[in-house]
Amino acid sequence: DVKVTQSSRYLVKRTGEKVFLECVQDMDHENMFWYRQDPGLGLRLIYFSYDVKMKEKGDIPEGYSVSREKKERFSLILESASTNQTSMYLCASSLIAEITGELFFGEGSRLTVL
Amino acid sequence: AQKVTQAQTEISVVEKEDVTLDCVYETRDTTYYLFWYKQPPSGELVFLIRRNSFDEQNEISGRYSWNFQKSTSSFNFTITASQVVDSAVYFCALSKGTNAGKSTFGDGTTLTVKP
Repeated sequence: DVKVTQSSRYLVKRTGEKVFLECVQDMDHENMFWYRQDPGLGLRLIYFSYDVKMKEKGDIPEGYSVSREKKERFSLILESASTNQTSMYLCASSLIAEITGELFFGEGSRLTVL
Repeated sequence: AQKVTQAQTEISVVEKEDVTLDCVYETRDTTYYLFWYKQPPSGELVFLIRRNSFDEQNEISGRYSWNFQKSTSSFNFTITASQVVDSAVYFCALSKGTNAGKSTFGDGTTLTVKP
């Protein structure tokens, strides 16, 4: 089974802190994604990556950056956390060969910025 | 622009009742893909089904069934004889097809099944 693992289920940070959210998948998927999930807003795509060192902006990239140095790992970085970044963050992966393939999600990281 | 509307924010039913979750979409593409995902309380979204725009055949999988109608731009999901374990948030999503990860998601419908 595909396993997408997010390093932290719950984090509490202070405004202005730098925050790293880590995601690792074990099925050699090319595509990896970061979403945030907020009540009433569904899932919104922040960034995605289709290969090592490759990244593209999603719908809401402002205030975020990403890093993909290895195929299995995709990190989301909040350079200076703000209270409006309090949210649930979801990582997902998919095979590029199956371009319409379903997404495999991690369990999510709930971030609270005080 | 693409849009997915799940008008039902929350639904509550009693176990063994049938329930239908509505999904209406908007797109100008002729080729597209529709998905349903389930998010149980544990938080991990789980893929349920994918449908492409050229296949309007309805699908049944156990107690789950999906009704895709291009004429009304709808892709509704029915759970027959609901169970407590069906309690979750359900998301409908729409993809242009080039990258499922760039799907547009609906806001989700929270289904509560009471014993």
